[in-house]
Amino acid sequence: EAGVTQFPSHSVIEKGQTVTLRCDPISGHDNLYWYRRVMGKEIKFLLHFVKESKQDESGMPNNRFLAERTGGTYSTLKVQPAELEDSGVYFCASSQDSWRDTQYFGPGTRLTVL
Amino acid sequence: QKEVEQNSGPLSVPEGAIASLNCTYSDRVSQSFFWYRQYSGKSPELIMSIYSNGDKEDGRFTAQLNKASQYVSLLIRDSQPSDSATYLCAVNVGGGADGLTFGKGTHLIIQP
Repeated sequence: EAGVTQFPSHSVIEKGQTVTLRCDPISGHDNLYWYRRVMGKEIKFLLHFVKESKQDESGMPNNRFLAERTGGTYSTLKVQPAELEDSGVYFCASSQDSWRDTQYFGPGTRLTVL
Repeated sequence: QKEVEQNSGPLSVPEGAIASLNCTYSDRVSQSFFWYRQYSGKSPELIMSIYSNGDKEDGRFTAQLNKASQYVSLLIRDSQPSDSATYLCAVNVGGGADGLTFGKGTHLIIQP
């Protein structure tokens, strides 16, 4: 069974540009999560989808971030316009059930904003 | 604000010894607790999950939970050099707020 996949693995962009990150969860997992780790800090929760619905987006830093999960399969996270402080590693995770179930993490996308 | 605290280390343990990793959390309503292992440049990988007070054993790993003290620990017996990694403690309060709250992680080094 394929794990969580993320694309791209690395992205380097200029401040003010737009970047879109993609996550493909494990097949059959209704729950999809986005997290971010900035250098020197802990991994921080961004938002949680159940199928195509946003269950919790309390961790989204501001309105420059837009997450979608059309059709309840893969998800995209768009940052527009990117700022220097958006640099970090963006992880996606998925789980079959909610709070008790294991969240399986993808390899992450390393975003560098110059 | 929910917080999870871990000693960042590095924690250095001789090969074959027991490694003890500790974590405290601030939100009393937390319901599920996870230990993830992360190798440098890789994604977090689940080691153990625990939901009830007491001990839970899985091979060389034992997770311990004390909800009254808001404390969770991970013991690694017969430590191996391949156990060298960063260990992340994560907490979930459930009830629809299912995003994990992570600690910064403890860097564990097993010395051959």
